[in-house]
Amino acid sequence: AQSVAQPEDQVNVAEGNPLTVKCTYSVSGNPYLFWYVQYPNRGLQFLLKYITGDNLVKGSYGFEAEFNKSQTSFHLKKPSALVSDSALYFCAAHSGGYQKVTFGTGTKLQVIP
Amino acid sequence: GAVVSQHPSWVICKSGTSVKIECRSLDFQATTMFWYRQFPKQSLMLMATSNEGSKATYEQGVEKDKFLINHASLTLSTLTVTSAHPEDSSFYICSASKLAEYYNEQFFGPGTRLTVL
Repeated sequence: AQSVAQPEDQVNVAEGNPLTVKCTYSVSGNPYLFWYVQYPNRGLQFLLKYITGDNLVKGSYGFEAEFNKSQTSFHLKKPSALVSDSALYFCAAHSGGYQKVTFGTGTKLQVIP
Repeated sequence: GAVVSQHPSWVICKSGTSVKIECRSLDFQATTMFWYRQFPKQSLMLMATSNEGSKATYEQGVEKDKFLINHASLTLSTLTVTSAHPEDSSFYICSASKLAEYYNEQFFGPGTRLTVL
């Protein structure tokens, strides 16, 4: 069975500092990995995905994520946090084809002015 | 683009009534649409997966007779909450995958807030 873990319920970071939101996964075979962001009372917005290729994936709003196969991780990063980045972030994974996508429990990012 | 809309964005209904929520893919054809439920400060719970023209596949513990899903076309899926009760109050989110896209990236609608009085 596949699973996604986001070990931190909340991450606090000062505006202008780099941020990292952690995600580890467990899927059989090659993983397909995604990050989404959710603002209050809104649906999920796609940030970025890893399908194959470069381990460093760049996405929307200056976010990037690094795929680490040996550590089965796909941490979300941004060099300089903005207050507007404050939101709920979800990591998701599946093992390809039309397999069901598994979501992590979400990490609330709070960027402090 | 890949835009998914949901209607209504919020709805309040009386206990015992039924509510229909629509999910549309506006600029692409969706092989598969998904319905999620999200409780406050919690992750998304997949309720069911629907493929155009066939019966939805419900997750364990989800009552198929209570949450009726119809996927009549490649751009429209509906979720009907029948005989709604206060415990059905939640945020319902749909998503859609593009036709024949093997890596199954999902595009999410903006969600529907259901409040049952």
